[in-house]
Amino acid sequence: NAGVTQTPKFQVLKTGQSMTLQCAQDMNHEYMSWYRQDPGMGLRLIHYSVGAGITDQGEVPNGYNVSRSTTEDFPLRLLSAAPSQTSVYFCASRTTSAAYEQYFGPGTRLTVT
Amino acid sequence: SQQGEEDPQALSIQEGENATMNCSYKTSINNLQWYRQNSGRGLVHLILIRSNEREKHSGRLRVTLDTSKKSSSLLITASRAADTASYFCATDATSGTYKYIFGTGTRLKVLA
Repeated sequence: NAGVTQTPKFQVLKTGQSMTLQCAQDMNHEYMSWYRQDPGMGLRLIHYSVGAGITDQGEVPNGYNVSRSTTEDFPLRLLSAAPSQTSVYFCASRTTSAAYEQYFGPGTRLTVT
Repeated sequence: SQQGEEDPQALSIQEGENATMNCSYKTSINNLQWYRQNSGRGLVHLILIRSNEREKHSGRLRVTLDTSKKSSSLLITASRAADTASYFCATDATSGTYKYIFGTGTRLKVLA
């Protein structure tokens, strides 16, 4: 199993550009989520999904869009990049059964200039 | 706002010593999890404790949970240089949902 994979590993965008961060998992997990990590802020939940076709907002959803057309994939779209979105982005997945760990991808480091 | 807050924010100890870090949270939870993050890497799950449990062990890790005080502690015994990392607690934000909210983390440095 590859676990949770994320692409790209690094990305530089100009203000106003859009892009999609890719996340895929091969563990047949129903639950997938996106976090951003900023220095001193820990991880903050952006969006999450409990299954194909079902998504919901987390703590900091503004400026981001998600969709879940398959169990395996959960892309995160930046609609119009802003410098405040400079961060490290992590995707995670787990089963929806109670009390199970989340598996994290290696992260995407995004810089918006 | 963050559900969990860890303290201390940073901790530096000698190899062989024990390291204790604490997590406080705000609302009722079903369970609490601890994760480790090595520099520049993703998070790795360490241990989970359910709300009806008070203490749990896994190798050199001991976790306690006090739901009356809404707090948890992670103890790493006989620390090693390889334990140098950031440690985060995560709680399910609202009972019955799937959202896990992370604290701000404790940066642990173990000196050889």
